[in-house]
Amino acid sequence: AQTVTQSQPEMSVQEAETVTLSCTYDTSESDYYLFWYKQPPSRQMILVIRQEAYKQQNATENRFSVNFQKAAKSFSLKISDSQLGDAAMYFCALDMAYKYIFGTGTRLKVLA
Amino acid sequence: DSGVTQTPKHLITATGQRVTLRCSPRSGDLSVYWYQQSLDQGLQFLIQYYNGEERAKGNILERFSAQQFPDLHSELNLSSLELGDSALYFCASSRDPGQNSYEQYFGPGTRLTVT
Repeated sequence: AQTVTQSQPEMSVQEAETVTLSCTYDTSESDYYLFWYKQPPSRQMILVIRQEAYKQQNATENRFSVNFQKAAKSFSLKISDSQLGDAAMYFCALDMAYKYIFGTGTRLKVLA
Repeated sequence: DSGVTQTPKHLITATGQRVTLRCSPRSGDLSVYWYQQSLDQGLQFLIQYYNGEERAKGNILERFSAQQFPDLHSELNLSSLELGDSALYFCASSRDPGQNSYEQYFGPGTRLTVT
């Protein structure tokens, strides 16, 4: 069965520090995509970063980067220089072409 | 602003009733997806349409149905509503389900409250 697991219900980080959010997944598909979405208090779902499974290079978007370990089926999100505006729920998602599975989310708190 | 619009923003109705949620995808996007997010939960994929045809089905109840019209907007119909159907319903769109276009852009959601 395909699953996405976010084992950290809540994380805290000091402003300007770095934090890593964990995500593990399980799929028998060889071709898939992984995403991190951010959901601030407004509840809008915002795409943060995406990773194609066939690419070995880890995706980076400004202060956001991923550590994609395909063999270990791990897809963690690193947020550098954390800002107050980064406070939100973060969801890891697995997209296997017609099957879309989201994790249960990690609530990130940013401390001033 | 993702470019995906959803109406209404809020909907309050009684058990046993039927409601229709509407979604307009981003300009040029052919795929529409519907998700349900119950309180403090992750998103549950309900159904996907591509250019008017059903493409994928997730955990969608038989009481729920959807369609995508020729102008590519989509409607999600929820009938015989139960208290447990209270949730935030998201619509998302993407260019197509092809190899290079998997980003889904989400609308602001419709909050449904069943009393």
